[in-house]
Amino acid sequence: GENVEQHPSTLSVQEGDSAVIKCTYSDSASNYFPWYKQELGKRPQLIIDIRSNVGEKKDQRIAVTLNKTAKHFSLHITETQPEDSAVYFCAASKQAGTALIFGKGTTLSVSS
Amino acid sequence: SAVISQKPSRDICQRGTSLTIQCQVDSQVTMMFWYRQQPGQSLTLIATANQGSEATYESGFVIDKFPISRPNLTFSTLTVSNMSPEDSSIYLCSVETGANEAFFGQGTRLTVV
Repeated sequence: GENVEQHPSTLSVQEGDSAVIKCTYSDSASNYFPWYKQELGKRPQLIIDIRSNVGEKKDQRIAVTLNKTAKHFSLHITETQPEDSAVYFCAASKQAGTALIFGKGTTLSVSS
Repeated sequence: SAVISQKPSRDICQRGTSLTIQCQVDSQVTMMFWYRQQPGQSLTLIATANQGSEATYESGFVIDKFPISRPNLTFSTLTVSNMSPEDSSIYLCSVETGANEAFFGQGTRLTVV
């Protein structure tokens, strides 16, 4: 089955810096790659996603890149703010109707 | 997106008892999933709740321990049976609204004493 590896497990940056979180996946049939943000005590929230027919997607300060050949994808957050502090999870799935398989998460801390 | 109501939000239970968690969605969805999130850990898929048929369980999870019902396209329950302290965790339901996008209920924080 699918296996998703995520690095780093913790990331500390200064406000205004950029943050990059990387994930690799094992199943070449996976074609959907979302990123979730989870604040303490709250449910995971979808922040951005990318499908296998696209190499990059951007939404304001957040971008995701995908390299299907290398089977890895990354989350980029620019101009980080203290409210970006949370745990971020990458995930992968195959066709619609299949469950997401999650990475182990990255705890991002943004200090002002 | 979908509005997902999950209850209870938290509970403290005695070992050996069972707890049923409910997940209600404001629209009909084909796929519903149940995840477990242990403290400080990632989300682990327990099972896929199929409407009109038995749930599909992941390796390490069995129906006797985690029976699931899916009576219609807007509702599902997960029961944690014969609980032990090791079952203390957050349980989350998730729905797929189409084209892979998945959304989560607020979670049930279970403590077994």
